[in-house]
Amino acid sequence: ETGVTQSPTHLIKTRGQQVTLRCSSQSGHNTVSWYQQALGQGPQFIFQYYREEENGRGNFPPRFSGLQFPNYSSELNVNALELDDSALYLCASSQDLGTGWYEQYFGPGTRLTVT
Amino acid sequence: AQSVTQLDSHVSVSEGTPVLLRCNYSSSYSPSLFWYVQHPNKGLQLLLKYTSAATLVKGINGFEAEFKKSETSFHLTKPSAHMSDAAEYFCVVSDRLSGGGADGLTFGKGTHLIIQP
Repeated sequence: ETGVTQSPTHLIKTRGQQVTLRCSSQSGHNTVSWYQQALGQGPQFIFQYYREEENGRGNFPPRFSGLQFPNYSSELNVNALELDDSALYLCASSQDLGTGWYEQYFGPGTRLTVT
Repeated sequence: AQSVTQLDSHVSVSEGTPVLLRCNYSSSYSPSLFWYVQHPNKGLQLLLKYTSAATLVKGINGFEAEFKKSETSFHLTKPSAHMSDAAEYFCVVSDRLSGGGADGLTFGKGTHLIIQP
């Protein structure tokens, strides 16, 4: 069983630029959630994709957007980068069987630094 | 809106002594609560979960937590700390999303557990 993978591991961008982060979900999982973890803080929910549609969103502006592909992998796009966007971005996948609770499996994250 | 408060940012214990990490939650209905652990340079791992079944929940690596509705608490305990337990611990409450899929998770700010030899 392949775990959740994310790319790249690290990247550095300049304020105002755009960035795309990628996530490959665990085999058989159809749901991907994205979280932002600032230094010294807990992760914050950005949004979730379920069956290729945005399913829910946290308190993040529209310049944070995403996609989910037919193979359930996902992208997180951030436009007009700000210094405060510097953080660890975590992707989590899970399998919605339509019955009860299901565990979210987290990837190792992408460390984004905005200068 | 649901929220969690982790009462200690850092906890230091000696190896072999009990561990107590405290968490209070706020929820407008019966919550699902979790504890996750994050080791340096590793992904978040689920330790245990409460989803309205037994109030005393056992997890991996000897950890357990008790859901106390009257106190709105979900404290994490372990009888005897091991050096490998040193990590960041997060108390988490779930928000059920309307369109199916998994829950959106709300994390506390974390408790850094230090194990003294």
